[in-house]
Amino acid sequence: DTGVSQDPRHKITKRGQNVTFRCDPISEHNRLYWYRQTLGQGPEFLTYFQNEAQLEKSRLLSDRFSAERPKGSFSTLEIQRTEQGDSAMYLCASSFGQGAQETQYFGPGTRLLVL
Amino acid sequence: AQTVTQSQPEMSVQEAETVTLSCTYDTSESDYYLFWYKQPPSRQMILVIRQEAYKQQNATENRFSVNFQKAAKSFSLKISDSQLGDAAMYFCAYRSARNTNAGKSTFGDGTTLTVKP
Repeated sequence: DTGVSQDPRHKITKRGQNVTFRCDPISEHNRLYWYRQTLGQGPEFLTYFQNEAQLEKSRLLSDRFSAERPKGSFSTLEIQRTEQGDSAMYLCASSFGQGAQETQYFGPGTRLLVL
Repeated sequence: AQTVTQSQPEMSVQEAETVTLSCTYDTSESDYYLFWYKQPPSRQMILVIRQEAYKQQNATENRFSVNFQKAAKSFSLKISDSQLGDAAMYFCAYRSARNTNAGKSTFGDGTTLTVKP
């Protein structure tokens, strides 16, 4: 396994359109995280899954955002009715282990530009 | 809520020299973990080093070491013998040890490190 992969790597869309991003975690990693990173800032937590269960969602995740992780494998993040403020890098990370030994492995990200 | 502050947006260092990146954080918790991540240009973020708050001994990983001052809520990263490949954005991150916040990390805004040959 070569690591966390994300698709697409870049997405340009018009305001009001829906977009969906995919994240494939490292095999057997039971946790999967989504973060958003805007230019000049650090990643901000959006949501995370343990297996197929979505255990926490940030207040940043408005009703237009939805994430799924069917069967505890890959995950999708959908943004409906995109706004220019949604333009950012969307990072996925997966992990295993407990406590201090939990190491998050990040994907390359999907860069979204909303025109 | 926890916050992480990196007060140096940019730093530069001469190749083979030593550089220290600063990070402070704010929390009311006593048990937590701290991390430094490296994000090279157009590449994935990777973990550089981690520190458990209950450990007094500062973590080291080869050329990377930290100075963890729990009372001051300070967590700096020292890079010794800097190499051109160390050029990247470095993020300091905080993670609670409470199960309810398992895995969720709070990041600083990063420090861009330039290494001069």
